[in-house]
Amino acid sequence: DAKTTQPPSMDCAEGRAANLPCNHSTISGNEYVYWYRQIHSQGPQYIIHGLKNNETNEMASLIITEDRKSSTLILPHATLRDTAVYYCIVDYNQFYFGTGTSLTVIP
Amino acid sequence: DTEVTQTPKHLVMGMTNKKSLKCEQHMGHRAMYWYKQKAKKPPELMFVYSYEKLSINESVPSRFSPECPNSSLLNLHLHALQPEDSALYLCASSQEATSGPYNEQFFGPGTRLTVL
Repeated sequence: DAKTTQPPSMDCAEGRAANLPCNHSTISGNEYVYWYRQIHSQGPQYIIHGLKNNETNEMASLIITEDRKSSTLILPHATLRDTAVYYCIVDYNQFYFGTGTSLTVIP
Repeated sequence: DTEVTQTPKHLVMGMTNKKSLKCEQHMGHRAMYWYKQKAKKPPELMFVYSYEKLSINESVPSRFSPECPNSSLLNLHLHALQPEDSALYLCASSQEATSGPYNEQFFGPGTRLTVL
C-alpha cells in the first residue's frame, strides 16, 4: 500500500517555484515524510524529509500541515534539470513508493 | 563515500540461466534493500536486510534469492526467470531499517535486466 496520493503530472516554468503536493491522510505516530526524485532510468535521489516542522535544505523546502495529513515540496527556482518523477513517501518502517508526480520544467 | 554501486549496469539472460546482481556500499549502513521497478511504475520493495539478516521478504518468488555476505555487500541471485521479470533492479542502503530521521535511503543506479 502506497498510502500517499500525488497528482500524476505537473508543469512548471523555468525559474519559477514548483509546488508539489502530497496527501498522506493515514499518517500517524512518528512516521516521517520523505521526498525523492527519479530522473529517467536513474536511481531515486533523496531530496528532503520531515516530521512536523517545515524543513529547508539546499535543494528544496518541505511544508507539512499541522495535522500532518498532507505536505508540499517546494523547488524555489525550477531548472530544466529538475524535470523528474517526484515521490512522496511515508516511512512506515519501510519505503512504499506511490505513483509519484511527473514534473516537467518548461523553458 | 556516499555511493551505492551496482554491477552489472545491464544484464541480458535466458530463462534457463543463473546470474547474480551485486550491490556494495561503504557508508557503514546496517540496512540494505532490493527494489524492482518496471517501466513507468514506481519502485517496489522486494527484500530488506538488517544487520546482515533477512528481515522482510515481500512475497517475492523463489527464483529471486537474496544474499548478504557481509555488511557492505548485497547480492541477488537469479534463476529460471521469466520475461515478465525484466525490469530495473535497484539496491539501496540506510543506517538502520527502522522508521526515523535516519532512515534516508541511498540508492544505486540500478541494473537493467532483460530476460529473453
